[in-house]
Amino acid sequence: EVQLLESGGGLVQPGGSLRLSCAASGFTFSSYAMSWVRQAPGKGLEWVSAISGGGGTTFYADSVKGRFAISRDNSKNTLYLQVNSLRAEDTAVYYCAKAPSGYYSLFDYWGQGTLVTVSS
Amino acid sequence: EIVLTQSPATLSLSPGERATLSCRASQSVSSSLAWYQQKPGQAPRLLIYDASNRATGIPARFSGSGSGTDFTLTISSLEPEDFAVYYCQQRSNWPLSFGGGTKVEIK
Repeated sequence: EVQLLESGGGLVQPGGSLRLSCAASGFTFSSYAMSWVRQAPGKGLEWVSAISGGGGTTFYADSVKGRFAISRDNSKNTLYLQVNSLRAEDTAVYYCAKAPSGYYSLFDYWGQGTLVTVSS
Repeated sequence: EIVLTQSPATLSLSPGERATLSCRASQSVSSSLAWYQQKPGQAPRLLIYDASNRATGIPARFSGSGSGTDFTLTISSLEPEDFAVYYCQQRSNWPLSFGGGTKVEIK
């Protein structure tokens, strides 16, 4: 059974940083692209970043480019998102999502999310 | 960036009725469009990919159609568990993008 478990969220001041993690199990982690998708309270979904199975290729939304960094450790079956220079508008639930075989930018399994709140 | 516009924002229907949801792209995405369902407090669930292919385990009452810029998700006969928010998503161009969502509520 595929499982994705996010952690690392919390309350942080504007300008602060966090590292979000997503522990994966139930599939061969290194064979699949992964993404982060966020959802502000009461709002819709916003794609944030994606990474290839090997970790060599990454993509970012314009809204986070230069502030966020996606990475993965395939030996630990874990996906990361380093979030820096946080702003109030980054407040959201952050989901990690797995891409299906043969796809890069589709999401067939999602975690339950970790909440990031940016406030002073 | 490709903008996806979903309509209507809210659809009020009764169980057993047919639901028709629309997603329009600001430029062609070919058939690279997916639909997701999200219930309160839950993560989204993939329903349809590549415009018309049902994901694993998705009931046949869900169907998708369209190509280019205009897409439709149809729920042929609403079940109580289908009342939720539905999002479309394009994977044709980076950055990826989602529509703003359509809430299907009980009338």
